[in-house]
Amino acid sequence: SAVISQKPSRDICQRGTSLTIQCQVDSQVTMMFWYRQQPGQSLTLIATANQGSEATYESGFVIDKFPISRPNLTFSTLTVSNMSPEDSSIYLCSVWTDLYEQYFGPGTRLTVT
Amino acid sequence: GQQVMQIPQYQHVQEGEDFTTYCNSSTTLSNIQWYKQRPGGHPVFLIQLVKSGEVKKQKRLTFQFGEAKKNSSLHITATQTTDVGTYFCAGKQSGAGSYQLTFGKGTKLSVIP
Repeated sequence: SAVISQKPSRDICQRGTSLTIQCQVDSQVTMMFWYRQQPGQSLTLIATANQGSEATYESGFVIDKFPISRPNLTFSTLTVSNMSPEDSSIYLCSVWTDLYEQYFGPGTRLTVT
Repeated sequence: GQQVMQIPQYQHVQEGEDFTTYCNSSTTLSNIQWYKQRPGGHPVFLIQLVKSGEVKKQKRLTFQFGEAKKNSSLHITATQTTDVGTYFCAGKQSGAGSYQLTFGKGTKLSVIP
């Protein structure tokens, strides 16, 4: 298994500003992912973040809006840029273990006013 | 693209009754994973099924993967109030190098004591 922490756990931000979410894992992992979950909804993959390479974004998500860093095998950040109320959501990072089991962080609850 | 349909969307059961949620994929899956998300929590990995026709049990939970690897089910025997939450299936599409999981919309289980 993997233990994942995220910062901040929640934030309220103003329209037009940016927020950087941090994800820390207690072990080295190759694959890290960023998801978005609207309250009461399913999970949508934003991007895959691999150390040493550019993040791979899913359809509907672009690097200018959601830049991702992956400086090492235990850490990643996701920035939500130029926020609008539509960006209000829960953002979760996740990792795959060597057994291809996926573990999620506790999430960051973002509210944009 | 790949779609994973999950039914029912909601299920209310009396404590002690059984519960089943079903997932169907539009494409053949290499594996399927199941997650439980408690209210206010993050998705927690339950199990991964890989083989055609595979059946796995975890105490009162029984997981099945269809012979065609396109459908799966989670069955809970004699539900308890601790089973409350949303259960998600997530399928990994067949294909080398693909780590993307497609999540179903989830089944929200309520247990009436």
